[in-house]
Amino acid sequence: AQSVTQLDSHVSVSEGTPVLLRCNYSSSYSPSLFWYVQHPNKGLQLLLKYTSAATLVKGINGFEAEFKKSETSFHLTKPSAHMSDAAEYFCVVSDHSGYSTLTFGKGTMLLVSP
Amino acid sequence: DADVTQTPRNRITKTGKRIMLECSQTKGHDRMYWYRQDPGLGLRLIYYSFDVKDINKGEISDGYSVSRQAQAKFSLSLESAIPNQTALYFCATSSGDTSTDTQYFGPGTRLTVL
Repeated sequence: AQSVTQLDSHVSVSEGTPVLLRCNYSSSYSPSLFWYVQHPNKGLQLLLKYTSAATLVKGINGFEAEFKKSETSFHLTKPSAHMSDAAEYFCVVSDHSGYSTLTFGKGTMLLVSP
Repeated sequence: DADVTQTPRNRITKTGKRIMLECSQTKGHDRMYWYRQDPGLGLRLIYYSFDVKDINKGEISDGYSVSRQAQAKFSLSLESAIPNQTALYFCATSSGDTSTDTQYFGPGTRLTVL
């Protein structure tokens, strides 16, 4: 069984300040982990993915995430927020148990103020 | 042209009507998925298909059926629509390479059942 918990439903930051979106996961197997972003009235875009290579994963638009097995976490960070980062972010796990499917977290809405 | 397309993009229907949502992909992927998104709940898997002859129920398949007409086409049907099926529906595809099995999403279909 696999599950994902996004610890904050909403995060508010000011433009130019750091972003931290928190995600904890549970998986019976060695997982793959993903972050997807959804801008208003848009589909989902892959930000980055972890697949058991380097634990620090760099994605698009300056985002990165660190896989910490001991903490079962995969938090998403960005050093400096931009107005265009305002969107909903989903942490996703796949356990590769043969018929692997994705399990989504409930999402974190990132609000960026000027 | 988009790799994953969904038709229609928006649909308003009445309770009891039969509705079909269609998904097509040009990525050459074997695996296709249908999800629904509700505010605050993330995306939940309805059905998935790992090849043309393989159909599997997801987390919330009740009230839905699917048809995999070809490798590139995967349709979702609501036999008798009800208001709580009002949601944003996403189709996705993946290659099935379990080491990097990234899913690629269509733009979504917004369905309203009155």
